Amino acid sequence: AQTVTQSQPEMSVQEAETVTLSCTYDTSENNYYLFWYKQPPSRQMILVIRQEAYKQQNATENRFSVNFQKAAKSFSLKISDSQLGDTAMYFCAFMKRGNAGNMLTFGGGTRLMVKP
Amino acid sequence: SAVISQKPSRDICQRGTSLTIQCQVDSQVTMMFWYRQQPGQSLTLIATANQGSEATYESGFVIDKFPISRPNLTFSTLTVSNMSPEDSSIYLCSVSGYFGYTFGSGTRLTVV
Repeated sequence: AQTVTQSQPEMSVQEAETVTLSCTYDTSENNYYLFWYKQPPSRQMILVIRQEAYKQQNATENRFSVNFQKAAKSFSLKISDSQLGDTAMYFCAFMKRGNAGNMLTFGGGTRLMVKP
Repeated sequence: SAVISQKPSRDICQRGTSLTIQCQVDSQVTMMFWYRQQPGQSLTLIATANQGSEATYESGFVIDKFPISRPNLTFSTLTVSNMSPEDSSIYLCSVSGYFGYTFGSGTRLTVV
């Protein structure tokens, strides 16, 4: 079974600054996906970024980038130029690669507050 | 990616009653997933719903408490039965896609 750990229950950052959210995971699988999801107060789960384990290059989506360290089983999210709209819960998630029926395993979440 | 319409968005229910949550997907999908998010917590998978067969439940969740229907490839319902205050949570449905999982907007359930 897979486990996902987010060691920072809460974080805050000043608007326009950079913040990094940590995530570690444990798995015996070699082929898998990692995700960061954002959940604002609206409750909607929004996919922020995804990383395929077989790709060495770190994924980037605009102001969001990851630092994927496969050997260390670490998958951190960096948010650059933080905006007030980034305030939300952030969940790291793991999915074994394979058929469409593979479930997501979530970390406990990090509550991010962006301060003006 | 798929678009999911989930309803109701919220409800307040009396203990001992049941609530049925619906999810409609704008495309055909093989599997749908139901998650529970207790207050201040992460998401926990309740069950996986495959069209044409019984849902597969995760440890700690049983069909009598959370019956699921999956009548076709675009629709599923989750019923929370004989509710107690401990069932107060956000319930979300989800489907998988190439770029990741898409979620419904969630149902915030409060049991009084």
